[in-house]
Amino acid sequence: QSALTQPASVSGSPGQSITISCTGTSGDVGNYNYVSWYQQHPGKAPKLMIYDVSNRPSGVSDRFSGSKSGNTASLTISGLQAEDEADYYCNSYTNSDTLVFGGGTKLTVL
Amino acid sequence: VQLVESGGGLVQPGGSLRLSCTGSGFTFSNHPINWVRQAPGKGLEWVSYISSRSEAIKYAGSVRGRFTISRDNAKNSVHLQMNSLRDEDAAVYYCTRDSVAYAMDVWGQGTTVTVSS
Repeated sequence: QSALTQPASVSGSPGQSITISCTGTSGDVGNYNYVSWYQQHPGKAPKLMIYDVSNRPSGVSDRFSGSKSGNTASLTISGLQAEDEADYYCNSYTNSDTLVFGGGTKLTVL
Repeated sequence: VQLVESGGGLVQPGGSLRLSCTGSGFTFSNHPINWVRQAPGKGLEWVSYISSRSEAIKYAGSVRGRFTISRDNAKNSVHLQMNSLRDEDAAVYYCTRDSVAYAMDVWGQGTTVTVSS
């Protein structure tokens, strides 16, 4: 199972909005709503930010939102803050009955 | 609510290691558990999954046939037996809890596996 495709890096200024894409295939992202997003700060364990494409766990800021169109899922962060600077990973269930992560995206807040 | 991994260490190529994950603060037997690893400077890689009562077990292709996941709900623990270890298995190994299907809402702090002669 190949990793989902994410941009290596994105950047934005405080207060702006950014979107991170996650492209898979009809065998994973395109066929299932089991897409989740994780935030990882350096040296820390990842944190669940979005699950089931667009649901936010309790305690996650509503500045984080998720969506999907076809084989591509997206994570949008609005009102960018310095603390949002981190690595972000998408994850999807696949038709091989496995899970697959994206390669990760480094978000820089300028 | 927490997960704590243990068992990491230095092992030679071809060797074996058994990782453990112990949960506390929640009803452990209600939740599937995954293992996810991260090689130094690299991204996350899903490794294995075990359902709440061990009725479903899944593996990534890169470890199938070499790794075995199991759980003991009486001891709130999940284990990952890793055999025939390769250089590319070196990573921080995290255990994670599924809240709803395939959403990993609790992560341990990770345990480091080093494969080197």
